[in-house]
Amino acid sequence: EVQLLESGGGLVQPGGSLRLSCAASGFTFTNYAMSWLRQAPGKGLEWVSAISGSGHSTYYADSVKGRFTISRDNSKNTLYLQMNSLRAEDTAVYYCAKGSRVVGGMAFDYWGQGTLVTVSS
Amino acid sequence: SYVLTQPPSVSVAPGQTARITCGGNNIGSKSVHWYQQKPGQAPVLVVCDDSDRPSGIPERFSGSNSGNTATLTISRVEAGDEADYYCQVWDSTTDHYVFGTGTKVTVL
Repeated sequence: EVQLLESGGGLVQPGGSLRLSCAASGFTFTNYAMSWLRQAPGKGLEWVSAISGSGHSTYYADSVKGRFTISRDNSKNTLYLQMNSLRAEDTAVYYCAKGSRVVGGMAFDYWGQGTLVTVSS
Repeated sequence: SYVLTQPPSVSVAPGQTARITCGGNNIGSKSVHWYQQKPGQAPVLVVCDDSDRPSGIPERFSGSNSGNTATLTISRVEAGDEADYYCQVWDSTTDHYVFGTGTKVTVL
């Protein structure tokens, strides 16, 4: 059974940093691309970032490029999102999701339950 | 950037058919995926690659994609189908994943 468990969310001041983690199990982690997505309160889904199975290729939404960094540790089956220079508009539930195949054109076939990030003073 | 447009809401009586559209420029040339999201829960993939159903998804959920419109069809609608539905594609020109605006399905 595929399981994705996010952690690391919380309250942070504008301009601050936060690191999210996603522990994966139930599949061969290194074989699949992974992604972070988010959903602001009462809003729709927004893709944030993706990373290839090897970790060599990374992709970012324009809204977070230069501020967020996605990474993975395949020895620990864990996905990360380092978030710097946080803004109020980054407030959202952040989801970790497994890609259905290689990065290009993939669907997000399994999702974690999400972790809430609140950026406020 | 690539834009996907969905109707904000669709209402349907139990047992009837709900059709949710997703409009985008030449979307027929892309693979479209659909997600169901119930309140307080994570999204669930219900249709991938235009018309494939992941394991465990009822046959009542089907998809099609042609021209400038992709469609998710829910046949024999049940009360448990009430949720928000999102379409999603990959924009190869920007290497970005794009979601539609979302459609709230209400079962009357």
